[in-house]
Amino acid sequence: QVTLRESGPALVKPTQTLTLTCTFSGFSLSTSGMCVSWIRQPPGKALEWLARIDWDDDKYYSTSLKTRLTISKDTSKNQVVLTMTNMDPVDTATYYCARIFISYGVNSGFDYWGQGTLVTVSS
Amino acid sequence: EIVMTQSPATLSVSPGERATLSCRASQSVSSNLAWYQQKPGQAPRLLIYGASTRATGIPARFSGSGSGTEFTLTISSLQSEDFAVYYCQQFNNWPYTFGQGTKLEIK
Repeated sequence: QVTLRESGPALVKPTQTLTLTCTFSGFSLSTSGMCVSWIRQPPGKALEWLARIDWDDDKYYSTSLKTRLTISKDTSKNQVVLTMTNMDPVDTATYYCARIFISYGVNSGFDYWGQGTLVTVSS
Repeated sequence: EIVMTQSPATLSVSPGERATLSCRASQSVSSNLAWYQQKPGQAPRLLIYGASTRATGIPARFSGSGSGTEFTLTISSLQSEDFAVYYCQQFNNWPYTFGQGTKLEIK
């Protein structure tokens, strides 16, 4: 079955760089149509999409966070990594990774999610 | 960036009744819209994609409709486990965007 799990530090200091890893199983990111996204949710607030990486290594980013984000994949390890630079307390949130499968041009939506990891930005 | 606006912010409905949640896009997203359910302390769960296609394992009481800029999620007969926050999300244009959510609470 498909599973995703986020890992990374629970606490980072302002101005530091955050590195999060999404480790998944049950699918391969080398399969045509497979994509993984990162989404975050500040406490008590709505979801915010951050980035997506595709099976063919195409990458897409949030317009407002584009200069701070980098997404990459290691297909052999079944991992997707997100880095976010210059962290600020407003970046405190639960960070999720989620899968998308695009088949015959139909986007499945985020059909599988990790359980999320809470990242707090504080000095 | 496409702005997704959900209404109402909070909806109070009795178990067994019908709930209708709305989502409006600031410009057309065709049928590239999904709905998610989120319960406290849990990750969101995909309910509907392509505006009207139920995801795997989603009960038939959940239905989605609409295209372009106006969308609706209908829950035909509310069960106790349906009380949660619901989000719509467009994937027609970059960046992907979510609505601010509708909290469905027990009346």
